[in-house]
Amino acid sequence: KAGVTQTPRYLIKTRGQQVTLSCSPISGHRSVSWYQQTPGQGLQFLFEYFSETQRNKGNFPGRFSGRQFSNSRSEMNVSTLELGDSALYLCASSPNPAEWVLLHFGNGTRLTVT
Amino acid sequence: GQNIDQPTEMTATEGAIVQINCTYQTSGFNGLFWYQQHAGEAPTFLSYNVLDGLEEKGRFSSFLSRSKGYSYLLLKELQMKDSASYLCAVKDYGQNFVFGPGTRLSVLP
Repeated sequence: KAGVTQTPRYLIKTRGQQVTLSCSPISGHRSVSWYQQTPGQGLQFLFEYFSETQRNKGNFPGRFSGRQFSNSRSEMNVSTLELGDSALYLCASSPNPAEWVLLHFGNGTRLTVT
Repeated sequence: GQNIDQPTEMTATEGAIVQINCTYQTSGFNGLFWYQQHAGEAPTFLSYNVLDGLEEKGRFSSFLSRSKGYSYLLLKELQMKDSASYLCAVKDYGQNFVFGPGTRLSVLP
């Protein structure tokens, strides 16, 4: 079974631009969550989607948004990029929100904002 | 507020035993998780505690005390490949994962 796939692996953007990151969950997994990982803050929860609906949202500004498609694939978008948005963005999937023990992470997208 | 504390870095010798502590204060508790993350790779699940006590899984064990808001991960017979970051995470009442900053473990020969 293929794991969680995130594309692209690396991205370099300039301040003010916007970016879209993609996540394909493990086949059969319908819950997808997103995290931001930085050296200073660790892993921080961004949002969670299940059946195309956002179930939970972390404490991030409205510039961070996401969506989930009918095939469970998910995208997150960051608009008006700031230097502080430079981070590793991790996506994780599980069969459904209740089976969080079965959470699997992708290798992440490393975003650098210059 | 939500707060999880772990030591930033630890060093141990191959073959030794190391204990990584984690203390937490979260809005609710639905389980405590430990993940291992090698540099440049995805976090991988190590263990899960929801009741007080010790869970053993081969060379890895995890302990939980809910009354103290405390957990530890015990790694025995350390190997070089155990050099990684170890993340403590709590599932809160809002069904969100709250992660600690991670402990970077270096295993020396």
